[in-house]
Amino acid sequence: DAGVTQSPTHLIKTRGQQVTLRCSPKSGHDTVSWYQQALGQGPQFIFQYYEEEERQRGNFPDRFSGHQFPNYSSELNVNALLLGDSALYLCASSFTQGFHEQYFGPGTRLTVT
Amino acid sequence: AQKITQTQPGMFVQEKEAVTLDCTYDTSDPSYGLFWYKQPSSGEMIFLIYQGSYDQQNATEGRYSLNFQKARKSANLVISASQLGDSAMYFCAIRRLQGGSEKLVFGKGTKLTVNP
Repeated sequence: DAGVTQSPTHLIKTRGQQVTLRCSPKSGHDTVSWYQQALGQGPQFIFQYYEEEERQRGNFPDRFSGHQFPNYSSELNVNALLLGDSALYLCASSFTQGFHEQYFGPGTRLTVT
Repeated sequence: AQKITQTQPGMFVQEKEAVTLDCTYDTSDPSYGLFWYKQPSSGEMIFLIYQGSYDQQNATEGRYSLNFQKARKSANLVISASQLGDSAMYFCAIRRLQGGSEKLVFGKGTKLTVNP
């Protein structure tokens, strides 16, 4: 049973560019959440997707957007990249009727130069 | 608003000894859940243990146990018989229910180093 997978593993972008990160949830999970983890900090909630809709959003600008597909996989898009967007981006999946565990993926480490 | 405080930036423990990682929380929700995650240098967040606010007994999962003191709003993680592979960052998190969906609010973490 595959866990949560994310791609790519690492990414280097230039300030002002756009980036798309991808996540496939654990089998049987229908809810995907995205978190940003800056160096030396705990993860910060970006947003959550369920039934292809953004269900909840954290305190992040509109440059951060997402999408969920019918197979429950998800994308995180960041436009007009800033140096401060450099972080580890974690995807977590859960079953909407049972939030006792959120399974996290290995993350995508984004570096903006 | 929910908040998690982890006051120990770093902890050291000898192999085979027990260690307690502190976590205090602040919430106005009558029902909530507390989580502990381990994050090795590889970056993946590994779920360790969960405690519901109405659970009567402290949660245990193998060598991990959660010392839940509701009145003090603390949820300390106890790792027994530490192993070298336990060296990692440890994060405490609280579940926040908002608008019918749930998210996790994390603390800043504690870096645990297990010495041989």
